[in-house]
Amino acid sequence: GAVVSQHPSWVICKSGTSVKIECRSLDFQATTMFWYRQFPKQSLMLMATSNEGSKATYEQGVEKDKFLINHASLTLSTLTVTSAHPEDSSFYICSAVRTGGRSPLHFGNGTRLTVT
Amino acid sequence: GENVEQHPSTLSVQEGDSAVIKCTYSDSASNYFPWYKQELGKRPQLIIDIRSNVGEKKDQRIAVTLNKTAKHFSLHITETQPEDSAVYFCAASMEGQNFVFGPGTRLSVLP
Repeated sequence: GAVVSQHPSWVICKSGTSVKIECRSLDFQATTMFWYRQFPKQSLMLMATSNEGSKATYEQGVEKDKFLINHASLTLSTLTVTSAHPEDSSFYICSAVRTGGRSPLHFGNGTRLTVT
Repeated sequence: GENVEQHPSTLSVQEGDSAVIKCTYSDSASNYFPWYKQELGKRPQLIIDIRSNVGEKKDQRIAVTLNKTAKHFSLHITETQPEDSAVYFCAASMEGQNFVFGPGTRLSVLP
């Protein structure tokens, strides 16, 4: 149990276009989902906390107008990278905690974004 | 906010030897400490975790110890195997809230 599905697993897009990444909890409900970014050989850095039915909370330095997060249901959160640039190329990973449950975080498989 | 440090950044051991990775945290309110293993290009996988009401936990070749007073916790891997080679991340959090990850340790097990 506790499976998190993330799609797509990889995407290549042109500079200036937008990319949407989906994160679904398949067998549990998740009031809160977290979006991380991981650059090569670095740790996971939290970008934002996604709360079902309310606005996401962004970490300092993360542009909320560039990284749009929508958490419309208890099983789906989406991250849209708008007007992508090459420096946005990274590994994006979502994670979820079971609603009302205890840790741990369950991670999606990640999305490798390459902006050309 | 929470700050997690992790040492060493890289670790090489001979197959069969033990490996120890140490982490420290700053927020005494943190009460949940997981360890994740990440292979290249893949998602982090939980390998073991410990809560603040426990001092030690073991699962086969893997063990974690926690010292709340000193605010540090350690991962111990015994009888290492080549497939243990990966990047290991520690994290600290309060239950159900965001995790703060350490910078990671790249473990290489040499055959």
